[in-house]
Amino acid sequence: DQQVKQNSPSLSVQEGRISILNCDYTNSMFDYFLWYKKYPAEGPTFLISISSIKDKNEDGRFTVFLNKSAKHLSLHIVPSQPGDSAVYFCGGGTSYGKLTFGQGTILTVHP
Amino acid sequence: NAGVTQTPKFRILKIGQSMTLQCAQDMNHNYMYWYRQDPGMGLKLIYYSVGAGITDKGEVPNGYNVSRSTTEDFPLRLELAAPSQTSVYFCASSNRGGSYEQYFGPGTRLTVT
Repeated sequence: DQQVKQNSPSLSVQEGRISILNCDYTNSMFDYFLWYKKYPAEGPTFLISISSIKDKNEDGRFTVFLNKSAKHLSLHIVPSQPGDSAVYFCGGGTSYGKLTFGQGTILTVHP
Repeated sequence: NAGVTQTPKFRILKIGQSMTLQCAQDMNHNYMYWYRQDPGMGLKLIYYSVGAGITDKGEVPNGYNVSRSTTEDFPLRLELAAPSQTSVYFCASSNRGGSYEQYFGPGTRLTVT
């Protein structure tokens, strides 16, 4: 029972273009959603979050969109930079910060 | 400020052995978490704690035990290691529950053979 799915294992984009990472979920009880970025041999680092009552949250180059009716969220990175190359995980959260993560999408940004 | 530290970085265990993965944080966070990440998979929550003396199971608690005697430390105990416990283990902490950012340690790579 995979409550959070990231169906694209990898994404390759050119520097300066937009990166769109997608995430689908099945658990309607999630109160919020978060995106984390992970470099090799490091722990994940927090990127951006969105409450389940919002449909958009923006932080600099990063914007997360939430479509509750479709149970879908996406992370937009504009413009993409080579330093953005990493694995991106989306997660849904409930009480006490209990997070359920997707499998991750490897983003590669080419110079 | 070291953040979240984990020891050891790597460990190889034989089937049936036991070990404790150490996790410490110096941010005075109340909430702490243990996750495991299997190859090609997302992180799965093993156990979590909302404060000293309080722990609860996550999604995949079988084969593990935790304790939280202080705010700073949250060790994860593996009893009778099995090959299915081969994974990378991450500890995280948060100032509050809910949608607040969790700070992750660098991970412990465990192999059980």
